[in-house]
Amino acid sequence: SYELTQPPSVSVSPGQTASITCSGDKLGDKYASWYQQKPGQSPVLVIYQDSKRPSGIPERFSGSNSGNTATLTISGTQAMDEADYYCQTWDSSTYVVFGGGTKLTVL
Amino acid sequence: QVQLQQWGAGLLKPSETLSLTCAVYGGSFSDYYWSWIRQPPGKGLEWIGEINHSGSTNYSPSLKSRVTISVDTSKNQFSLKLSSVTAADTAVFYCARVSGSGHNYYMDVWGKGTTVTVSS
Repeated sequence: SYELTQPPSVSVSPGQTASITCSGDKLGDKYASWYQQKPGQSPVLVIYQDSKRPSGIPERFSGSNSGNTATLTISGTQAMDEADYYCQTWDSSTYVVFGGGTKLTVL
Repeated sequence: QVQLQQWGAGLLKPSETLSLTCAVYGGSFSDYYWSWIRQPPGKGLEWIGEINHSGSTNYSPSLKSRVTISVDTSKNQFSLKLSSVTAADTAVFYCARVSGSGHNYYMDVWGKGTTVTVSS
């Protein structure tokens, strides 16, 4: 079965750039999406098709995907960006796969 | 603006069948697949399965033996049944709209979630 691996936690200072990685076998050959989830809330799509932002998502959120790693980058991180982030892809054997999630702390 | 409203029993005993329904308001129902995702307390997201308006389904291999997803196009609703539940099925269950096509698969609209607890 296909698996995606994320670091459990990432810390960033306000105003700095946060990078959250998601690793999987030949992930760059697939599409990656990213979701933000704040405590007690439903997930929100922040990146789809590797690097596209849905309407309403700030420009400071960007994504890339190459080789075995997809990366979510948050430029000029704000306190409101503190949340759990999940990557997701589609695989022919497992269908929809989520990474284990990364807790982003802004301190 | 599409909204998903979900409901169902929140407390079950082991061996019972979980039953949840999600209603779609606004937007097209027939142009999308609709999915169920769950999240155990303090853990990550797990995809359960999906259905389209014609009743075509796909299920997670790990849950396939216990899951049934159905659709009622007259009400723009889809439902989840998970049989023989145990404490390990305790989770928040979300319904969501699937966008993209083929391998470009993502969920862009989510319900608010329903907490389901399995306890004797």
